[in-house]
Parts: sequence; structure tokens; C-alpha cells
Amino acid sequence: DAGVTQSPTHLIKTRGQQVTLRCSPKSGHDTVSWYQQALGQGPQFIFQYYEEEERQRGNFPDRFSGHQFPNYSSELNVNALLLGDSALYLCASSLVGGEGETQYFGPGTRLLVL
Amino acid sequence: LAKTTQPISMDSYEGQEVNITCSHNNIATNDYITWYQQFPSQGPRFIIQGYKTKVTNEVASLFIPADRKSSTLSLPRVSLSDTAVYYCLVASSGGYQKVTFGIGTKLQVIP
Repeated sequence: DAGVTQSPTHLIKTRGQQVTLRCSPKSGHDTVSWYQQALGQGPQFIFQYYEEEERQRGNFPDRFSGHQFPNYSSELNVNALLLGDSALYLCASSLVGGEGETQYFGPGTRLLVL
Repeated sequence: LAKTTQPISMDSYEGQEVNITCSHNNIATNDYITWYQQFPSQGPRFIIQGYKTKVTNEVASLFIPADRKSSTLSLPRVSLSDTAVYYCLVASSGGYQKVTFGIGTKLQVIP
């Protein structure tokens, strides 16, 4: 049973550039959530996708956008990168209607903005 | 969204049982309580989830009193590899879920 996978594992970008991160959910899951985790902090919710639509969003600017594909995989796009965007980006998947809708996390993508 | 409060850090010797308590006074009727473990630069790993009373799996137990305003994660006989950050989360099911993490509890296991 494949768990949540994310790519790439590490990424280095410069200020002003754009980045796309990818996530494949756990087998059987239909919902993907994205989180940003700065060093020493807990993960902060960015947004959640279900049925190819964004249905929940945290306190992040419009520079952060996403997409969900028919196979439930998802992308996170960040435009006009800032130094403060350097963080571990986590993807989590869940199943709508599943008990507690438990979220299972991927290994994350480490983004460094120079 | 129910806010959670848990100790910032805890120390324990190897082989001891560790109990981490989380307060969630504003928990809603349809909220579940979930605990995650996170090692540095890795994604959070699901440990255990419960709604009420006691839940046990192969790695931990979760105790939830009747009023559900708190919960306690119990790790039996910890080892050095249990050194990690532990997060207590309260989240609702029912189609829409927005999980909010606090800063977690940093557990340091001492040899």
C-alpha cells in the first residue's frame, strides 16, 4: 500500500522565481492538504483540495495556489518567491467520510530560497 | 477550531512510560483527537486517533475522559528512537477538515 509521496525532496530557488511541488496521495484517498513548516514551528495549513477544487484555505497570500488532478494527485505553486518561503512543505492525504478523516503525511519537500 | 495546549518539552529515561497530556477545552461534538510524531526534516507520522474512552494500538494508548476536554498519549517503555516532537490535534470529520497544529511537545529520551 503506497503511502503519500512528494517530489522533489529538495529544491533551491532564488527570490522572485516560481516553484511547483507535487504530491501523490495514499492509495484510496481523495483529499489532499498542503502545509508549510518553518524551522522549529508546527505545520501551518495552506489549503485543501477535494474533487479538484480548493475547499479550505489557511492564512496564506494568493502567491500560493494549487491544483488537484482527476487521479487525486496535487500540485502546490508558489509565485514570486520570498526568502521567508524557505520551509518544509508537507502534503497530507485523507478520505472524505473516513473515520476521523485521518490525514497521512508525506516526507515533505525542503525549499530553500536564496 | 478547537485550540490545543500541551507541554513544550518533556524528558524521560529509556524504558520508562511517558504520558503527554493535551488540553482541548473547546472540542466540538464531531471532533476527533489525533496524535502525530515528527522527527526533524520528516513529515508527521500518525500515531493514534480516538473519539472517546481509551484506544490502544501497537505503539501507544490514548486516554480520553468523558468530558473530552483533554487527552493523554501514553508511550510504553520509550527508547532513544522515540525522541521526537509529538503533536496533539483536534479535527472534525464530516467532509470538511482544517487541521491546525500547535508547536507540539519535544520529548527527549535520555539513556
